[in-house]
Amino acid sequence: NAGVTQTPKFRILKIGQSMTLQCAQDMNHNYMYWYRQDPGMGLKLIYYSVGAGITDKGEVPNGYNVSRSTTEDFPLRLELAAPSQTSVYFCASSSGNTIYFGEGSWLTVV
Amino acid sequence: GESVGLHLPTLSVQEGDNSIINCAYSNSASDYFIWYKQESGKGPQFIIDIRSNMDKRQGQRVTVLLNKTVKHLSLQIAATQPGDSAVYFCAETSQGNLIFGKGTKLSVKP
Repeated sequence: NAGVTQTPKFRILKIGQSMTLQCAQDMNHNYMYWYRQDPGMGLKLIYYSVGAGITDKGEVPNGYNVSRSTTEDFPLRLELAAPSQTSVYFCASSSGNTIYFGEGSWLTVV
Repeated sequence: GESVGLHLPTLSVQEGDNSIINCAYSNSASDYFIWYKQESGKGPQFIIDIRSNMDKRQGQRVTVLLNKTVKHLSLQIAATQPGDSAVYFCAETSQGNLIFGKGTKLSVKP
């Protein structure tokens, strides 16, 4: 069972570069989420989606964009990377209240 | 130069003892609560949940207590084992969005 799959696992970006974090789930979940986790902190919600074609901002959306063209995929886009976006990013999905997380993507912006 | 790090609250217990991890939540409208376990380098894993119409729920070696009057949640782990060493997060939700607390690091001494 693949569950929630994130790629890449590790990435180093230069300031101003752009990149996309990929997320896919094979559980046919309607809800998908992107969180970031800074050192020693809990997870903060960046964006979420309640179904294909629908996305909404979370707590910390600035500097990010998302799209949800299919139920399975929920990519997170960083357009102009900044050092403040150095973090661990977790994608998640759910069909109800229990959320299943991916393994995380470690992003460093230098 | 000098670096400053963020430190999680830490609970250190002896193997075999019971552990109690506490969490205060902020939103009185939250109706669902979850405890997650996060091991180093991995995504959060669901442990146990509880709805706001309950004050106690038991799982295998774990018990969650909810006190809505003081907006307090606790996770009790019986007979703590070395494999329980991790960071534990509580999360609250109302209307579908999970809000995570900062986490508590549990260290189990053999």
